[in-house]
Amino acid sequence: DSGVTQTPKHLITATGQRVTLRCSPRSGDLSVYWYQQSLDQGLQFLIQYYNGEERAKGNILERFSAQQFPDLHSELNLSSLELGDSALYFCASSVLAWGLGANVLTFGAGSRLTVL
Amino acid sequence: GESVGLHLPTLSVQEGDNSIINCAYSNSASDYFIWYKQESGKGPQFIIDIRSNMDKRQGQRVTVLLNKTVKHLSLQIAATQPGDSAVYFCAENRVLRGSGGSNYKLTFGKGTLLTVNP
Repeated sequence: DSGVTQTPKHLITATGQRVTLRCSPRSGDLSVYWYQQSLDQGLQFLIQYYNGEERAKGNILERFSAQQFPDLHSELNLSSLELGDSALYFCASSVLAWGLGANVLTFGAGSRLTVL
Repeated sequence: GESVGLHLPTLSVQEGDNSIINCAYSNSASDYFIWYKQESGKGPQFIIDIRSNMDKRQGQRVTVLLNKTVKHLSLQIAATQPGDSAVYFCAENRVLRGSGGSNYKLTFGKGTLLTVNP
C-alpha cells in the first residue's frame, strides 16, 4: 500500500457520460498529480495541485477538470466521455510541488475507466 | 510531443542474469531523472533517482547511469529475480514552457516490459 488511495478502482460507463475519480494523497503530502495511462500514449501528465491551488497543467482536455479540496483530497472530473478516454487514471502525491525541489511522486493503484 | 523514449519495448532475461534497461531523453536542461517500476495492476513505484550533476548512483541491486553527453539513461538490475518482472519507466524532470522556470513536470517514457524467465 503506497498510502495514496484512489476510488473507484474500476468504472464502466457509456459515451457522453460524466464520471468523478477521487484521490486521497499520502499523509503529509501537499501536492497531488493526475496522470492518464493508455497503451499507446504511456503515462501522460494531466494536472497538478499544491495545497489547494492549481500548480501546473499538462495535456488535460477541456472536458476534464480537477480540484483539490481543503482536506487535500482531489477529484478528477471527466465529462462528455468518449471511447478514447478509456484508460488508467493515476493519482500521485508528493510533499512538495515541482519547482520547489525535485521530489519523488508516490502513485496510487489507479482507476481503470472503460467507456463503452 | 514527449521526448523521453526507450530503446527497447521488451526485454527478456534469465533469472540471475543482469538486466540493462535504456532510456533516451532530448531536453538537455532536465536536471533530475527517476526510474519507476510498474507491476501488473499497480501504480508506478519509485526505484531510484539521479540528479544531473551525477553520473552514477547505486541502490540495492540497482544502478542508474546518466550520460549527459548523449542524453542517455540506463537502469541496471543485478541478479534479476522473477519479482523484477514489470514495466520500467524512466522519467525526466522538465521545466514547463512559459513558466519562467518555476514549474516543472515529470515526463515519463513509454516503458520497457522486463520479463524474467526462471
